[in-house]
Amino acid sequence: AQTVTQSQPEMSVQEAETVTLSCTYDTSENNYYLFWYKQPPSRQMILVIRQEAYKQQNATENRFSVNFQKAAKSFSLKISDSQLGDTAMYFCAFMKHGSRLTFGEGTQLTVNP
Amino acid sequence: NAGVTQTPKFQVLKTGQSMTLQCAQDMNHEYMSWYRQDPGMGLRLIHYSVGAGITDQGEVPNGYNVSRSTTEDFPLRLLSAAPSQTSVYFCASSSLGNTEAFFGQGTRLTVV
Repeated sequence: AQTVTQSQPEMSVQEAETVTLSCTYDTSENNYYLFWYKQPPSRQMILVIRQEAYKQQNATENRFSVNFQKAAKSFSLKISDSQLGDTAMYFCAFMKHGSRLTFGEGTQLTVNP
Repeated sequence: NAGVTQTPKFQVLKTGQSMTLQCAQDMNHEYMSWYRQDPGMGLRLIHYSVGAGITDQGEVPNGYNVSRSTTEDFPLRLLSAAPSQTSVYFCASSSLGNTEAFFGQGTRLTVV
């Protein structure tokens, strides 16, 4: 069974600064996918970024990028130039292809003006 | 573009009552699932389905039933609500050939 761990229940950052959210996972699979989801106060689950395990290059989406360390089973999310709208709960998640999502506990990020 | 439609958004039940959370998707996705979200525990899988007529249990299935009579619909039934089922519930769907999951808006359920 896969497990996903987010060891930072809460984090805060000043507007325009950079913040990194941590995520580790455990699996015996070689091919899988990793995700970061954002959940603002509206409760909507929004896909932020996706990483395929077979790709060595770290995924980026505008101000969001990941540091994927497959051997260490680590998948951190870096948010650059933080904005007030980035305030949300962030979930790290794991998926084998065509299978269920396994989520971490979540990190509540607050961006301060 | 309806995507995944989940109803109701809020519900209060008394202990022992039954209810059905509705979930419908219009993307012809094979895979549908139900999660519950509790503070400090992330989202945990309750039940899932890989196609019409096929369902299976997830991590926390006790107290919940599901059925999948059509590709579009995947209702979640609480037969006898308990306070431990107070949670936020999410329905999600995805294509088996794609990794992106689409989520409903969530249902906040309170059992008193």
